Amino acid sequence: EPEVTQTPSHQVTQMGQEVILRCVPISNHLYFYWYRQILGQKVEFLVSFYNNEISEKSEIFDDQFSVERPDGSNFTLKIRSTKLEDSAMYFCASSEGLLRTDTQYFGPGTRLTVL
Amino acid sequence: RKEVEQDPGPFNVPEGATVAFNCTYSNSASQSFFWYRQDCRKEPKLLMSVYSSGNEDGRFTAQLNRASQYISLLIRDSKLSDSATYLCVVNPGPGTALIFGKGTTLSVSS
Repeated sequence: EPEVTQTPSHQVTQMGQEVILRCVPISNHLYFYWYRQILGQKVEFLVSFYNNEISEKSEIFDDQFSVERPDGSNFTLKIRSTKLEDSAMYFCASSEGLLRTDTQYFGPGTRLTVL
Repeated sequence: RKEVEQDPGPFNVPEGATVAFNCTYSNSASQSFFWYRQDCRKEPKLLMSVYSSGNEDGRFTAQLNRASQYISLLIRDSKLSDSATYLCVVNPGPGTALIFGKGTTLSVSS
């Protein structure tokens, strides 16, 4: 069964450093998403991406964040200058986006720890 | 603000018990509804979609009441492996952001 994959599984970084989180969505899916989950809190939407551009973003997704699809398979989230409060699980998801009952499938996540 | 509210839990039940989770949502224009399951420090995994007519998948039954903006999940004959956090999730439309509830934690004991 096709699945979303993410690398790395755990990233530790110093405050102020740049990090890039990588995702490979399911191959025939058209929409890609990033969510985050701070420990003990709910899953929060960051951004969605369709047809090589951002289709929707939340207020969390400020100028420190960017997304890119550098090739036909990878989808990346970059945080330019990490803050302590960026420590969270970051989940990538993808969906076909064709049906009203569109289902999003999640990758295993990257645990980001900012020291 | 578009919100999804769930029973806070935790629910602690013995094996074999029947347990029900409830959820309400605020955006009446929402188009699709789901229950996801999340194990500790893992990704959300789709448990089932929720349809207006109600739907069943083995021991799991989901119901949607659009008029009341209310979603439910019933788990019959609980197993130890059902222990997890159950997330009520609303989707305003295809390709848009999912809105998650905080989740309800279920612990099934022997």
